Amino acid sequence: GAGVSQSPRYKVAKRGQDVALRCDPISGHVSLFWYQQALGQGPEFLTYFQNEAQLDKSGLPSDRFFAERPEGSVSTLKIQRTQQEDSAVYLCASSPTLGDIQYFGAGTRLSVL
Amino acid sequence: DQQVKQNSPSLSVQEGRISILNCDYTNSMFDYFLWYKKYPAEGPTFLISISSIKDKNEDGRFTVFLNKSAKHLSLHIVPSQPGDSAVYFCAAKTQGAQKLVFGQGTRLTINP
Repeated sequence: GAGVSQSPRYKVAKRGQDVALRCDPISGHVSLFWYQQALGQGPEFLTYFQNEAQLDKSGLPSDRFFAERPEGSVSTLKIQRTQQEDSAVYLCASSPTLGDIQYFGAGTRLSVL
Repeated sequence: DQQVKQNSPSLSVQEGRISILNCDYTNSMFDYFLWYKKYPAEGPTFLISISSIKDKNEDGRFTVFLNKSAKHLSLHIVPSQPGDSAVYFCAAKTQGAQKLVFGQGTRLTINP
């Protein structure tokens, strides 16, 4: 079956632009996670959903970051007024239920110029 | 505050020999540990995990050892194969929490 799909794979934004990153989880997976991976570092947690409910957003670095999963399937991570420090790979993961293994997508590489 | 640390950025091992990747953690509340493997341009792929109630878990060529008193875990790969060349991430979570806390990763290169 299909894995976690993320789009776009690459995004270049000018500083100050808004961007939207999409994640299609594995069909039927209840939990969805977003992580940010800076160059040379491990992924860092941003937020997670159980179905459409956002249960933890403690990792979002500022109020410029917003995530949603309105129908409990596809999720979008939105970054407003992008800044250079937002440049990173944004990884999405899904799991069948809470506590299960997380399956990752290939990520979206965001470059803010 | 790096709660999970992989102090070796890279490791080079000859094909057929044992690869040992190390990970240290500081949060004594961590009770579940995972290893992920990542190829370039792909997302991390789950490899093996261990609960804090165990000190060893084995899956084929991969074995993870957990030393709770030392807050240390290691991943052993034997025998190492060229396809094992990748970046390996150690990750941990606390009971009841869902987020994973990752180390910085170790790039493993298997030489023919």
